[in-house]
Amino acid sequence: GAVVSQHPSRVICKSGTSVKIECRSLDFQATTMFWYRQFPKQSLMLMATSNEGSKATYEQGVEKDKFLINHASLTLSTLTVTSAHPEDSSFYICSARDQGAGTEAFFGQGTRLTVV
Amino acid sequence: GQQLNQSPQSMFIQEGEDVSMNCTSSSIFNTWLWYKQDPGEGPVLLIALYKAGELTSNGRLTAQFGITRKDSFLNISASIPSDVGIYFCAGGAGNNRKLIWGLGTSLAVNP
Repeated sequence: GAVVSQHPSRVICKSGTSVKIECRSLDFQATTMFWYRQFPKQSLMLMATSNEGSKATYEQGVEKDKFLINHASLTLSTLTVTSAHPEDSSFYICSARDQGAGTEAFFGQGTRLTVV
Repeated sequence: GQQLNQSPQSMFIQEGEDVSMNCTSSSIFNTWLWYKQDPGEGPVLLIALYKAGELTSNGRLTAQFGITRKDSFLNISASIPSDVGIYFCAGGAGNNRKLIWGLGTSLAVNP
C-alpha cells in the first residue's frame, strides 16, 4: 500500500509554544489529506480536511486559528498547534488519499504531543 | 459528528478462535474500509470494499460489503496473538468526501 510518513512521532513542548507536525505522502500524490485527533481508547476524530493549494476545511468545534493547516504541495501537509496548552496533549494522526485511486486513505504513524 | 455503529466494543478470545465484528449505518456508503490500529501507531488498512455484496479476503481476514450498502462485517479466522489491537470500520461516500468512522473493536487474544 501507499506510504504516509508523519513527523515527529513524539514531541514535548512547553505551554504557550507552537508545534509543527508534518505529513508526507512518499510514493503518491495527495490532493487531499486529513488530520485527526485521537483520545485514549477512542475513535479517530476528524479535525480538518487539507486541500492542496486551498484553505483547509475545519470540522465544527475545531479552532482554525489554533490548528493551522498548510498543504503547499501534493506530498506535504503540515499541522501547527499554536500557543499549545496541556489540554492540547493528544495523539494526532494524518491520512492521505492517492488522487489517482479510490476512497481509501493511508495513515501516518501518528504524533504523540505532550504539552507541559 | 456522525459515527458508525460498530460491535462488539471489545472481545477477549482464545488463540485459534474465529472472530467476527460488524458495522452498521443509517446512511448508504459507496465504500467500506477496515483498519487495524496498534497502540501508539496510525491505523493500517486491511481491506477495502467497493461494491454492494462484495466479499474480499486478505489472508485470514474476510470482509463483506452489505447488500443494502449500510453495513459490513470483518471476520478473522484462527486468531493469533499478533491479531491483538483495535479494529475500525470506516464508510466512504465518495472520493472527495471524508470517511465516517466506527468506534472500534478492541481485540485481545489469549495465547
